[in-house]
Amino acid sequence: SQTIHQWPATLVQPVGSPLSLECTVEGTSNPNLYWYRQAAGRGLQLLFYSIGIGQISSEVPQNLSASRPQDRQFILSSKKLLLSDSGFYLCACVGANVLTFGAGSRLTVL
Amino acid sequence: AQSVAQPEDQVNVAEGNPLTVKCTYSVSGNPYLFWYVQYPNRGLQFLLKYITGDNLVKGSYGFEAEFNKSQTSFHLKKPSALVSDSALYFCAVRVFDAGNMLTFGGGTRLMVKP
Repeated sequence: SQTIHQWPATLVQPVGSPLSLECTVEGTSNPNLYWYRQAAGRGLQLLFYSIGIGQISSEVPQNLSASRPQDRQFILSSKKLLLSDSGFYLCACVGANVLTFGAGSRLTVL
Repeated sequence: AQSVAQPEDQVNVAEGNPLTVKCTYSVSGNPYLFWYVQYPNRGLQFLLKYITGDNLVKGSYGFEAEFNKSQTSFHLKKPSALVSDSALYFCAVRVFDAGNMLTFGGGTRLMVKP
């Protein structure tokens, strides 16, 4: 079964600073990968998904971008953070019809 | 378009009593349905899924869910709640497009009181 690693686990950044959240996957190859954001401890919003290296689909126009430089690496970035970017960011991948999540990265923008 | 609804923001249950967390869905075609649980500051953990077959699906930690096609529901149940079951529960349906994404409900907070 696959394992997802996310880092950093917690991040506090000032408004206008850049962002890089990293996700790596073990135990599978050529996975579909996803970035979700959870605001205020409730609903999940799909931000990006990727079906292969260099292939990124954006679900919501926003201040963020994603990249997939390697098969099992998925990166979420921003050039200039906004207060509204605060939230809990979850990386996930599909295996055996089940979506597996990483432990998440909590971002606070001040 | 596919969608999932969890009509209750919060469910309160006494320990030892049965619990039900409700979920209804709207999809075209046959649905793949899932339940996940989230503990504070953690990622989501898979509980169970319905793909095909028996309408009653058994999952982790004693949870089960019943697929009801006529009512388009997939309610999560447990015969006897534990305080440790207190968490945020998400129902999800799989979207069959290029991304094969899951669409999640808004979540239901389960509070089990001693």
